[in-house]
Amino acid sequence: EAGVVQSPRYKIIEKKQPVAFWCNPISGHNTLYWYLQNLGQGPELLIRYENEEAVDDSQLPKDRFSAERLKGVDSTLKIQPAELGDSAVYLCASSSLPGLAGSNEQFFGPGTRLTVL
Amino acid sequence: GENVEQHPSTLSVQEGDSAVIKCTYSDSASNYFPWYKQELGKRPQLIIDIRSNVGEKKDQRIAVTLNKTAKHFSLHITETQPEDSAVYFCAAIRTYKYIFGTGTRLKVLA
Repeated sequence: EAGVVQSPRYKIIEKKQPVAFWCNPISGHNTLYWYLQNLGQGPELLIRYENEEAVDDSQLPKDRFSAERLKGVDSTLKIQPAELGDSAVYLCASSSLPGLAGSNEQFFGPGTRLTVL
Repeated sequence: GENVEQHPSTLSVQEGDSAVIKCTYSDSASNYFPWYKQELGKRPQLIIDIRSNVGEKKDQRIAVTLNKTAKHFSLHITETQPEDSAVYFCAAIRTYKYIFGTGTRLKVLA
């Protein structure tokens, strides 16, 4: 089974430029998460999708960040314009709806390391 | 808001010794507690998890204990090996809401 796929793996841009990240979750996973991870810190949720609906975007800086999940599969996260403080790793994760066993396990992608100069 | 505190932030142990990492959570409705291992430049990977109806779970050299009353849970690694060196994250989950700890950098010294 293929894991969560993200691209690009690395991105270097100048401040004020736009940038976009792409995520392909594990097939059949209804729930998709975007996290931000700063060096030495744990992942911090930006947005969570259930199918194509963003059900938790309370931590997403909406003035510059946007996300979409068309057709409830792939997702893109965009920053426009990027700021120096946006340099971090952006992780995508997916999980299936819990069944009777109640599995909440998340599977992470490899992340996109963003450097804003 | 909800948070998860994780201690220590760094931990160095001699190869063969045990390592213990502790987490405390604030949301009493949390019912699932996974531990992730993240090697440098790689994705976090689940190594063990525990549900709120269980007090302890073991998988070979790793074990997790949960004290719901005190709202804390711990990761125990026995007979540590150099390949155990990584950053470990705990998390507390209520339904789909994940709150991660700040991570523990474990170094196993040969």
